[in-house]
Amino acid sequence: DAKTTQPNSMESNEEEPVHLPCNHSTISGTDYIHWYRQLPSQGPEYVIHGLTSNVNNRMASLAIAEDRKSSTLILHRATLRDAAVYYCILRVAGANSKLTFGKGITLSVRP
Amino acid sequence: DTGVSQNPRHKITKRGQNVTFRCDPISEHNRLYWYRQTLGQGPEFLTYFQNEAQLEKSRLLSDRFSAERPKGSFSTLEIQRTEQGDSAMYLCASSLALGVETQYFGPGTRLLVL
Repeated sequence: DAKTTQPNSMESNEEEPVHLPCNHSTISGTDYIHWYRQLPSQGPEYVIHGLTSNVNNRMASLAIAEDRKSSTLILHRATLRDAAVYYCILRVAGANSKLTFGKGITLSVRP
Repeated sequence: DTGVSQNPRHKITKRGQNVTFRCDPISEHNRLYWYRQTLGQGPEFLTYFQNEAQLEKSRLLSDRFSAERPKGSFSTLEIQRTEQGDSAMYLCASSLALGVETQYFGPGTRLLVL
């Protein structure tokens, strides 16, 4: 699986937007960009995924650069419950189903 | 609750003992995964099943580890002759093998080997 690079940590204020970056310069044309997050003492949970176009769902938005070498997960209004480790993962649809996690980015939210 | 469940949630054992963990996936999911997570690291893939067939095993899965998924339903992960280095969180996830599949994780089993 192609590798992703994320900052180690980020801080945000409650109710403000948060932009979590991810670099994936070696991404291939068939790699989907997935984001999962892991709240303290829980298993990871799916957040969002995309291929080329920007994506929105009830949890977040995913902005994908035109060259696909980077992406940004956007939380529109951070809450204290959004404090978690966020993982950016590249994955080819179909075969090779496993998720390859890096260390992720630890998001802290200040009240 | 129809999510992925894992039992036990915590296990403390002495070095050299055998332990077995159980994972119950979401009922209609045909794929089941095991991951291991140590402190400060992301989860690492161990193995996965499609229905009852074990399709891939990581090099991390030494011969002391064995996983089964009889009848394609629940799965067990057994560690024989545990070592202190086996101390970790063991996570199970399930998914439908359909399109860009989403994996749904259980809460994990935390193992401490003394």
